[in-house]
Amino acid sequence: EVQLVESGGGLVQPGGSLRLSCAVSEFTVSNSYISWVRQAPGKGLEWVSTIYSGGSTYYADSVKGRFTISRDNSKNTLYLQMHSLRVEDTAVYYCARTIFTGSYYFDYWGQGTLVTVSS
Amino acid sequence: EIVMTQSPATLSVSPGERATLSCRASQSVSSNLAWYQQKPGQAPRLLIYGASARATGIPARFSGGGSGADFTLTISSLQSEDFAVYYCQQYNNWPPTFGQGTKLEI
Repeated sequence: EVQLVESGGGLVQPGGSLRLSCAVSEFTVSNSYISWVRQAPGKGLEWVSTIYSGGSTYYADSVKGRFTISRDNSKNTLYLQMHSLRVEDTAVYYCARTIFTGSYYFDYWGQGTLVTVSS
Repeated sequence: EIVMTQSPATLSVSPGERATLSCRASQSVSSNLAWYQQKPGQAPRLLIYGASARATGIPARFSGGGSGADFTLTISSLQSEDFAVYYCQQYNNWPPTFGQGTKLEI
């Protein structure tokens, strides 16, 4: 069964940094497209970033220059390094296996990890 | 970017009844439209892709329709486990964008 398990969320001050992890099973990160999607408390879903099987990376304008998506093929794990965090980055962050058709949709999701940016 | 608008924001329906949810795109997205279900405290689950294709394991009571800019998700006979929030998402253009959700309540 395909599984994605996020970790690394927590409370961080504005301007701080945090790294999220997403361990996957039953598929390989190196051969897949995988994304981060976030959901602010009580709000809808927002695409954040995607890494392609070939290694190309793409970001939403709201996080470009502050967040970096990467993967460790040996650990079959996806990461999201977040810098210069803002209050508006507060959200549950989901990793999701991604179907690429020019743009993306998401067929399997992790359970999410909560990031709270507050002083 | 394409703006997705869902209606209504909340839909009150009784178990066993039929529910129809709507999603409209600010421009044509062809049939590149997905629907997700999200229950409280859970991750979204893919229900429909390609506007009308059911994802793996999704019951036949869920059906999607439409193309271009107007889409519907129909649940033919509501079960207790279907009460949730439903999101549409376009993947015709980059970046992918979601609607604001429709809450389906008893």
